[in-house]
Amino acid sequence: DTAVSQTPKYLVTQMGNDKSIKCEQNLGHDTMYWYKQDSKKFLKIMFSYNNKELIINETVPNRFSPKSPDKAHLNLHINSLELGDSAVYFCASSARSGISNQPQHFGDGTRLSIL
Amino acid sequence: AQTVTQSQPEMSVQEAETVTLSCTYDTSENNYYLFWYKQPPSRQMILVIRQEAYKQQNATENRFSVNFQKAAKSFSLKISDSQLGDTAMYFCEAAGTYKYIFGTGTRLKVLA
Repeated sequence: DTAVSQTPKYLVTQMGNDKSIKCEQNLGHDTMYWYKQDSKKFLKIMFSYNNKELIINETVPNRFSPKSPDKAHLNLHINSLELGDSAVYFCASSARSGISNQPQHFGDGTRLSIL
Repeated sequence: AQTVTQSQPEMSVQEAETVTLSCTYDTSENNYYLFWYKQPPSRQMILVIRQEAYKQQNATENRFSVNFQKAAKSFSLKISDSQLGDTAMYFCEAAGTYKYIFGTGTRLKVLA
C-alpha cells in the first residue's frame, strides 16, 4: 500500500564508493523528485523528472546521476561518495508539474552515512 | 529568485493552546501555490495544508488553518487545540513553474 517507497532506508558506506537509492511510486503520478535534507534539516531539490524526462537539475555535482526507466521509478546513483554527501535523501512524486498545484507525496527517506 | 523564509527556528506551545508558525516568501510568478508540510521524528514528510495564490479565502483543514496575506507575501500556519502528536518540524513550501522551494523549517514542541 506504500505510495512512494524508497530503498534502502539506511545506507552506510565508505568514502569513494558508488551507491544507488531506488524509488518507486504506485500513485500513477507523472512527476518524481529527489531532495536532499542536510543535518540542519534544510530541504533542497536536486532533480525532477516528468514522464521520464529531466525537467529540473539544480546545481548538483555530476557524481549524482538520476535515472528514470519509467514514470513510476526514479533512481539516484552516486559515484565517488564524499563525506559531504551524508544526508537524508527523499524521493517524492506529484500528479503533474509545471504549474505546481499538486502536493508532493514523499517517501520515508534514505539516511546516507559516509564513513 | 524564489525564496522562502521561516524566521522561527524553534517554538513550543502548551497542549490545547494555539500556536502560529510564520512563513514569508518572495516570488516573481503570478501563479503559484503554497504548502505546509509536517515532519515528525519518524522522518516522514506529511502534507498539512495548501493554498492557491489566486484564492483569497484562507485554507482550513480541521485544526490547521492559514493566514494568507498575498500583498505581504505571508503564509502563516495556525494550529488550534495543539496535541502532543503535533510535535514535529514544519516546513513551508512555495511552488511555482518548475520551482519548489522549502523554508528552513520550524521545530514545534507541544508540551504536556
